[in-house]
Amino acid sequence: SQKIEQNSEALNIQEGKTATLTCNYTNYSPAYLQWYRQDPGRGPVFLLLIRENEKEKRKERLKVTFDTTLKQSLFHITASQPADSATYLCAPSNDMRFGAGTRLTVKP
Amino acid sequence: KAGVTQTPRYLIKTRGQQVTLSCSPISGHRSVSWYQQTPGQGLQFLFEYFSETQRNKGNFPGRFSGRQFSNSRSEMNVSTLELGDSALYLCASSFDGPNQPQHFGDGTRLSIL
Repeated sequence: SQKIEQNSEALNIQEGKTATLTCNYTNYSPAYLQWYRQDPGRGPVFLLLIRENEKEKRKERLKVTFDTTLKQSLFHITASQPADSATYLCAPSNDMRFGAGTRLTVKP
Repeated sequence: KAGVTQTPRYLIKTRGQQVTLSCSPISGHRSVSWYQQTPGQGLQFLFEYFSETQRNKGNFPGRFSGRQFSNSRSEMNVSTLELGDSALYLCASSFDGPNQPQHFGDGTRLSIL
């Protein structure tokens, strides 16, 4: 069956470090993959979309990679700040499914 | 421009009742999707509407239904409420569909007593 797995439920890092979140999917081949950020009590906010023919995409301190051979996407936040603390969701989407999310905490 | 608006923000119902939730998408967006979010199951897709037609459907029972109006506003209805229907219901809109960035509202928190 099709599965989406995000590497860990929670990730704690120190301010200024790079956070790396992983999204793995199995048994399907999405044409694109999206990353969202969700704060408590709020709806998800779109961050980045990467297509299957793109290896990497950047936006300010954010970088996403998409490896269709490994069936994996990596999401990096460089120079992390406490304000980056949130839950990050991946959606390797052909059918509007989301991963369970990784709760990132950046400590000052 | 204004974001996605969902009403009401909070709702308390009892088992067996029915409920209707409303979503106003971003102006110009024709696709509206609905999701259920619970701590145990995460974000699960309910259905997507495009130009007043249901285009995609998730794996939920028939008690969950929706519709979209000509102005792209959408409603979802849940009949014969069960305790397990307690969740955050999120609506998302985009111009053409889920292959584009989805703009989410802040949801309706539904509690079933």
